[in-house]
Order: sequence, then structure tokens, then C-alpha cells
Amino acid sequence: QVQLVESGGGVVQPGRSLRLSCAASGFTFSSFTTHWVRQAPGMGLEWVAVVSSDGTTKNYADSVKGRFTVSRDNSKKTLYLQMNSLRVEDTAVYYCAREGVCGGDCYAGPFDIWGQGTMVTVSS
Amino acid sequence: EIVLTQSPGTLSLSPGERATLSCRASQSVSSSYLAWYQQKPGQAPRLLIYGASSRAAGIPDRFSGSGSGTDFTLTISRLEPEDFAVYYCQQYGSSPWTFGQGTKVEIK
Repeated sequence: QVQLVESGGGVVQPGRSLRLSCAASGFTFSSFTTHWVRQAPGMGLEWVAVVSSDGTTKNYADSVKGRFTVSRDNSKKTLYLQMNSLRVEDTAVYYCAREGVCGGDCYAGPFDIWGQGTMVTVSS
Repeated sequence: EIVLTQSPGTLSLSPGERATLSCRASQSVSSSYLAWYQQKPGQAPRLLIYGASSRAAGIPDRFSGSGSGTDFTLTISRLEPEDFAVYYCQQYGSSPWTFGQGTKVEIK
């Protein structure tokens, strides 16, 4: 079935790095823009980063710009989030999400498929 | 950045009652790019409504969305036990993509 599965979360000290992965299955991964969204404990949803279907266009939230890098390997059907210089405030569940196809006269779609999330804890 | 403000923060209702959730944007959002998501504890968000008023695949017709410009509404016509959850609105027409802070629908 259509699925996204994140991995790579864990406990890390401030200033260190971590790489998250998101494996896709059940659909043509290379055709879809994909995003990272995070949720701090007890808080709401925060968009983090986006990468276009071919990997050439990327964009980031100001809170992570210069520290996080999003990438993808379409041959492996996998999305990545390289997180450097981690801060305590980066502690959150990180979700990958597929941007759905929008029909008709539109240029962007909602997040129609989400992974189950992977927890990242930044603590000394 | 488009800021989305949801109200109320918490809605206390009984099964069978009607729920009306509001999402107000700091600037106009094209109705093509406004979505609603449902999230239950320990689960990922689930897409309910996109394009302000279109139901996603498999979403029951008791869920409906409306609105335009800066004011949008999610209505649950008759609450079922499985509808008690947190609901988020999102605009996806301009970067950065933004979410409202959420409305919790709890059992009264």
C-alpha cells in the first residue's frame, strides 16, 4: 500500500548531527514533491523543508535554514533530512509527507500521505 | 508568512452534536490552497479537506469545509466517537507552508 516510513531518530547532544530517512513504497516516489514537518512535544505542526520531485528545488523554514539539508534519492525511493548543529528546540517528532497532486488549475497540493514519524531528542 | 489562527482552542461537545471550527488567516489565502487535518494521540495527521471544501478520499460526508479569503470553517455535522481529536488548518499556496495552532475537540 501507499506508505512512508521514517527512521533515524534518537537522542543526540546539542551541537551534534543526525540524519533522518523516509522510505516510500506503493507509489511512484520520483513523481512527488515531499516535505518534512515536525511536532514538538505537546505542540502543533511546523513545516520544516521541501524538496521537489527531481531534487533540484529545495526550501527551508527560517528556524532550520543553514543547519538542515533536505535531499532525496529517487533510485532508492528515499527522502533524507541531514540535521546539523542541533539545538534543544529541535526536539520533536519528525514526519515526512507527500505533497499530493492537485487537479485542474492549481500549482500545489495538500499533504495527502504522512509517515508515522520518528522522534528526535536533543539533550545534554 | 501567512499566520493561521484557529478558534476555539478547545471545543467540548457530546457525540451527535455539531462541531464548528474556525481558521482565520493573516492575509488572503486562495481557497484552492487551504486544507484541514485530523490528528489523534500518537498518530500522524490525516488529510480531511483540501481546496477549502473538497473531501479527501475515504473521508465521511459528515465532514465539510467552507470559506474563502481569510475565514475558513470546518464543520462536523454529527460527532462520532472517533471524531474526538485535534484539528489543524494549513495553507499550502505559499512558502513557508503554515499550520494553525490546532483545535482540540473533546468529549463533554
